[in-house]
Amino acid sequence: DTEVTQTPKHLVMGMTNKKSLKCEQHMGHRAMYWYKQKAKKPPELMFVYSYEKLSINESVPSRFSPECPNSSLLNLHLHALQPEDSALYLCASSPSDRATGSNQPQHFGDGTRLSIL
Amino acid sequence: AQKVTQAQTEISVVEKEDVTLDCVYETRDTTYYLFWYKQPPSGELVFLIRRNSFDEQNEISGRYSWNFQKSTSSFNFTITASQVVDSAVYFCALSEANWRGGSEKLVFGKGTKLTVNP
Repeated sequence: DTEVTQTPKHLVMGMTNKKSLKCEQHMGHRAMYWYKQKAKKPPELMFVYSYEKLSINESVPSRFSPECPNSSLLNLHLHALQPEDSALYLCASSPSDRATGSNQPQHFGDGTRLSIL
Repeated sequence: AQKVTQAQTEISVVEKEDVTLDCVYETRDTTYYLFWYKQPPSGELVFLIRRNSFDEQNEISGRYSWNFQKSTSSFNFTITASQVVDSAVYFCALSEANWRGGSEKLVFGKGTKLTVNP
């Protein structure tokens, strides 16, 4: 079982819907990440939160809105998505603590398979 | 700019064969980190190994071994006596040692799909 939990596992939504993806970890990690992965492609970084602050936004369209309510939770709010946004959305976390050093491995969840109708 | 190349798109082997997955990287940094991840059909990326640029020792973990050679900018992964459960997509990734509050960007290769047939 993964230590990073993502819900829901599958989501089908229309282009006018609003939905949210959720990610939770209880490993005490202070960096959390959202990735988008299309079929047969590597994951593409979308957002990074470090100590609950957005530190990286990879020029993601505003129809994707991340939120980090606390150090254990990461949300991705979806609104007015397009069919090309259908993909696997992966959440990850890493320790990112000066005591443990940088570039620690990222731990991934199982992902949410999103389909836009 | 950083880049990771996994030239093998797909590999198919028969169980018990040894298989090597190639990874070549490009970076201007002198300090960097290399990773291998496994992605089974279920979707989760499973961390396998992390290596920093100053540690060129090869590593063995059970049936898995890694060969890091800075001279050729390669970080190859070998599975000995492959098993059906090894079937997955394997990603090699690179990150620079750029401390920004702990958030580091991983640059992934395109992945190699390994199929191990019984």
